[in-house]
Amino acid sequence: DVQLLESGGGLVQPGGSLRLSCVASGITFSTFGRGWVRQPPGKGLEWVATFSGASSLTYYADSVKGRFTISRDISKNTLYLQMDSLREEDTAVYYCAKGRGSTAFAPFHMWGRGTLVAVSA
Amino acid sequence: DIQLTQSPSTLSASVGDRVTITCRASETFTRYLAWYQQKPGKAPNLLVSEVTKLEDGVPSRFIGSASGPEFTLTISGLQPDDFATYYCQQYNTFPSSFGQGTKVEVK
Repeated sequence: DVQLLESGGGLVQPGGSLRLSCVASGITFSTFGRGWVRQPPGKGLEWVATFSGASSLTYYADSVKGRFTISRDISKNTLYLQMDSLREEDTAVYYCAKGRGSTAFAPFHMWGRGTLVAVSA
Repeated sequence: DIQLTQSPSTLSASVGDRVTITCRASETFTRYLAWYQQKPGKAPNLLVSEVTKLEDGVPSRFIGSASGPEFTLTISGLQPDDFATYYCQQYNTFPSSFGQGTKVEVK
């Protein structure tokens, strides 16, 4: 069965760091575009970052650029989101998602269950 | 950056109704727009890609269309399972963006 499983969320103080992981099972994750989408409690979806399977280019929302880094480990079939200089407004459920095809220009047709990141003093 | 504005924010409807959700883009593009359905506590589910292409397994009562910078998701004959929040997303240019969501609730 194909699935994505996120981990690494938790409570962190403002200015701190966390690294989220997303392990794919049942598929070779590295050949597809994939990314992270977040949802603050009670609010809508916000696109965070995308990693292109075809070119290995990365794209970021302005709100996280310079603080977050998306990366992959092909050998572990895993996508990461390194989050530094965290702010209270980064508090959200973070979803890992897979695009269709290798391009970054694709919708997310497969999603993980999400992992909660809470930034608070 | 492309901003997406959805309307209405909340829509009250009954089973069997025809409902329409609109997503207006701040810049014109023609192809790379998707619609998602999300239920409370769950991840979003892709319904429509490339404006009109229905995902496998999605009922044909969901119809995507476009006219200029305005994109529309129509549910033709609302079913009990359709009460949820719907989001549009543009993946035409980066940064990608979502609309703010439309909650379809029971009237």
